Amino acid sequence: SAVISQKPSRDICQRGTSLTIQCQVDSQVTMMFWYRQQPGQSLTLIATANQGSEATYESGFVIDKFPISRPNLTFSTLTVSNMSPEDSSIYLCSAGQGNYEQYFGPGTRLTVT
Amino acid sequence: KNQVEQSPQSLIILEGKNCTLQCNYTVSPFSNLRWYKQDTGRGPVSLTIMTFSENTKSNGRYTATLDADTKQSSLHITASQLSDSASYICVVSGIEGNNRLAFGKGNQVVVIP
Repeated sequence: SAVISQKPSRDICQRGTSLTIQCQVDSQVTMMFWYRQQPGQSLTLIATANQGSEATYESGFVIDKFPISRPNLTFSTLTVSNMSPEDSSIYLCSAGQGNYEQYFGPGTRLTVT
Repeated sequence: KNQVEQSPQSLIILEGKNCTLQCNYTVSPFSNLRWYKQDTGRGPVSLTIMTFSENTKSNGRYTATLDADTKQSSLHITASQLSDSASYICVVSGIEGNNRLAFGKGNQVVVIP
């Protein structure tokens, strides 16, 4: 199994600012992902964080808005840029090996005012 | 249309009682189906994973069933406890694996004393 930690756990930010969320895994993993979870909705995949190369973004998400880094096999960051109230959500980091188990971090609850 | 539909959306049950949550999916071809438990303010935690050839799997008081022919799954909670109050999320993986998971919106369960 893998234990995932995220920082910060929550934040309240002003419109127009940016927030960087950190994700740390306690073991080397092949895949890392970033999700958004809005109230009452399914988890939505933002992007796959690729080690040493640009992230792979899902439809509706762009690098300028959600830049992602993954400098090694255990760490990734997601930045939410130029925030608006519509970005208020829970952001989840996850890590997986193979096609089965996937582990999730505790999430970062973001509120944009 | 969401590829994973869960019902009921929410339910309230008395402590000690049983309940069954339903998940219908349209993902095809199918690789595996997972049930996650998400406590408020926490990330999802895996309860069970079932592949095509498995039709039941248990994890303590949680028992999941899978009918790959009808594309239906259920999660049965036996002798519910207050700590079972959470959202239960059905997640279906196609052949693309962790890169392309389909998430349900979750069944919100509240256990009352």
